[in-house]
Parts: sequence; structure tokens; C-alpha cells
Amino acid sequence: GQQLNQSPQSMFIQEGEDVSMNCTSSSIFNTWLWYKQDPREGPVLLIALYKAGELTSNGRLTAQFGITRKDSFLNISASIPSDVGIYFCAGSDSWGKLQFGAGTQVVVTP
Amino acid sequence: GAGVSQTPSNKVTEKGKYVELRCDPISGHTALYWYRQSLGQGPEFLIYFQGTGAADDSGLPNDRFFAVRPEGSVSTLKIQRTERGDSAVYLCASSDRAWRGNEAFFGQGTRLTVV
Repeated sequence: GQQLNQSPQSMFIQEGEDVSMNCTSSSIFNTWLWYKQDPREGPVLLIALYKAGELTSNGRLTAQFGITRKDSFLNISASIPSDVGIYFCAGSDSWGKLQFGAGTQVVVTP
Repeated sequence: GAGVSQTPSNKVTEKGKYVELRCDPISGHTALYWYRQSLGQGPEFLIYFQGTGAADDSGLPNDRFFAVRPEGSVSTLKIQRTERGDSAVYLCASSDRAWRGNEAFFGQGTRLTVV
């Protein structure tokens, strides 16, 4: 099925570094969401964005809803080992139906 | 518990068999979604329920797949004549659109392996 374009596919970073990933789509969404998934677990919601241009923070996480409503980015500041995992962006239609990116694998080395 | 619960967590079945996967949403959540996730991919939408009715089943890959939610709470995803290509993690999510907008909370998934 069609998915959003999420990049990068993977990142290998050192503890303490900042992480940035983004997602683009050819379609407009009215909500953008960012999830983190650990092995053998379901995705866990990190941040939800509802308005174009909105910038939202959750601890060390910051995400923005692009002004065109076709893109979003997620930043993680001062990474720590527990940030390791797969991060997914998702765009939502009016009914909450989600279209996901392919994920960004983050590996944090001490 | 307070989260979305899916059972079983793992299911191994033989090709051609019938399987049922169960989802218990968060109490009070009216919207329920099923997704399928293949290795190395993001989840892909299968079907969405609002209350008891399937509001959007456009993601079901073929007529071997069917889902029900008879009382507007628990949902069952049913797969007939399973094929090896059905092997994936099946995820359920629920949301209370009246309060959290489009935010969906996921269960841990059922890992289906067809041998």
C-alpha cells in the first residue's frame, strides 16, 4: 500500500547528539502523529499535531506540522540510550485512518 | 488494564486454516482500527469501526479477510483459508475521537505465522 516518504531510513548516533527525521506526502492530512515502536510491541504515540504550522514539544521531543500540511518533522534532543527504536510518522484523515511512513531506525551508542 | 489488549500475542497456523484475532479496545473508545505490519514496514490500514459498524473496510486485501464488532467494544479479525503471505503482525488501535481527536492508541499486536 502507499506510504508516506520518511527519512532517513536509519540513524546511528552517539549519546547526547540531536536526532532529526522528517516525513513528506503527496496528500494533505489534517493531523500528523509521531509514534515509537520497540521490538515486539505496538507503536506508542509520542506527539500529535492538529494545525498547520503547529510546533509541539514533549520533553526532549519536538515536532512540527508543515505549513503545506504535507510534511512533518521530529527532533530528539540530547539522545539517551532508551531513545533506540523505530520512529514512525503517520498522517490522519478526518476519520482517524492513519497512513504510515516506513520508519526511521535510531541506534544510540554510548 | 487500561490499554488496548490483543489476543493471542502469537499464532502459528497451517496454510489453509481459519484464524480469529481478538482486540479489546480502551474502555469507552468508540473508534477501532485494524492494521497489518510486515517486517521492516509501517503499519497498513485494514478496517475502521465506528461503534458496531465498519465505516471503512477499504484496506482489507481480499474477501478472505473479515472483521466484526457486534457490541461496539471487542472486535474480531477473521482470516479464512490462510496463506503464507498473510504472515505479519496484526495491530489493533482505538481512539475516543470526541476527546483526543484523531489520536489512536495501539495494542501490542498479534504475530501471525502461516506455515
